[in-house]
Amino acid sequence: DQQVKQNSPSLSVQEGRISILNCDYTNSMFDYFLWYKKYPAEGPTFLISISSIKDKNEDGRFTVFLNKSAKHLSLHIVPSQPGDSAVYFCAASVSGGSQGNLIFGKGTKLSVKP
Amino acid sequence: KAGVTQTPRYLIKTRGQQVTLSCSPISGHRSVSWYQQTPGQGLQFLFEYFSETQRNKGNFPGRFSGRQFSNSRSEMNVSTLELGDSALYLCASSLVPSGLDTQYFGPGTRLTVL
Repeated sequence: DQQVKQNSPSLSVQEGRISILNCDYTNSMFDYFLWYKKYPAEGPTFLISISSIKDKNEDGRFTVFLNKSAKHLSLHIVPSQPGDSAVYFCAASVSGGSQGNLIFGKGTKLSVKP
Repeated sequence: KAGVTQTPRYLIKTRGQQVTLSCSPISGHRSVSWYQQTPGQGLQFLFEYFSETQRNKGNFPGRFSGRQFSNSRSEMNVSTLELGDSALYLCASSLVPSGLDTQYFGPGTRLTVL
């Protein structure tokens, strides 16, 4: 049973427009959420995170929104740039618990076209 | 500050052999987690070590084992390799246990089992 789901395997966006990547989770115990970006042949790079006490966190062009009632989070990239083309992973964890490992979604491949 | 390093970057083994992968965390980080990435399953948690103790373990067979040394470096061992063990193995480090802090990933070791 997948606890973290990214239902769109791929997304194509024009340069300068907004990219919206979505993630759903089923475990209501998750209280810490992260987004990672991964280029081929490299490890995932931490992008942005959000705690369940917030509903929005912003860092430059990247904003993460959390809707706890819907168990849904999204990553907005504005404006999108060709260098943003990568696979984006959503991850969740139960902070402070004994099971603190990250549970990852299967990723969404973002292509930003010039 | 140097990032997470993993050696070797690429490895080719045959079925039945064993393999040891190495991970050096970011200086000062005491928690090391290991993940397996395959095209079909995405990123799956293997285990986490903190202060030389295994803190958490994913759902993998006993052929997968690990350890952590006093300098926080970690090794992962897979015995009796199977074709299905072909994957990218990623190591991530954090200052404190992973549920309480952001994890930073290394570039991974690409293992191919023939």
